[in-house]
Amino acid sequence: GAVVSQHPSWVICKSGTSVKIECRSLDFQATTMFWYRQFPKQSLMLMATSNEGSKATYEQGVEKDKFLINHASLTLSTLTVTSAHPEDSSFYICSAPRTSSPQETQYFGPGTRLLVL
Amino acid sequence: KNQVEQSPQSLIILEGKNCTLQCNYTVSPFSNLRWYKQDTGRGPVSLTIMTFSENTKSNGRYTATLDADTKQSSLHITASQLSDSASYICVVSGGGSYIPTFGRGTSLIVHP
Repeated sequence: GAVVSQHPSWVICKSGTSVKIECRSLDFQATTMFWYRQFPKQSLMLMATSNEGSKATYEQGVEKDKFLINHASLTLSTLTVTSAHPEDSSFYICSAPRTSSPQETQYFGPGTRLLVL
Repeated sequence: KNQVEQSPQSLIILEGKNCTLQCNYTVSPFSNLRWYKQDTGRGPVSLTIMTFSENTKSNGRYTATLDADTKQSSLHITASQLSDSASYICVVSGGGSYIPTFGRGTSLIVHP
């Protein structure tokens, strides 16, 4: 079945540093990928839509200069948290839609847990 | 506004018992509805996906129903197991957007 991977699965960094998270679709191509953030015991919150070959679309309230998204290929999207602060500590999840007639299914990555000290 | 409401917010049951989770949505036009299971610290995993014409779909001990007229769905878990403890998320696609609408999830705890 379709698989979406994320790397790293967890990361601890110092405040002020940048962290890059990769999202890969392993056996299908994804022109669009979604990035979510999830705080403990809360629902997934969509941050941005990553579009291959064009700029990402950010949700209201998400700083595009802080959360840099690059959709480098049809199987890879990256999220870079720049100048990370402790409040950026969260669980970051990506998803990629795969359309296999007649239905489309969102496949989620396993998530990346970020802890900013 | 596209919305997905889930109930209950949390549920505690004994191992072996059945339970039903509810999902009401206002997304229109409707494309499909999916139930996901999210274990703590992991990404969501798809359980079922239903389109407009489907009323019931099963996946092992999980059975989802859909009433497109009333815009309601339910997820029934039969003979619950400890491993069923997780958050169950209802996701509806449609509403004129390619971005799906997520429910807040139901947190299920199965006690031995």
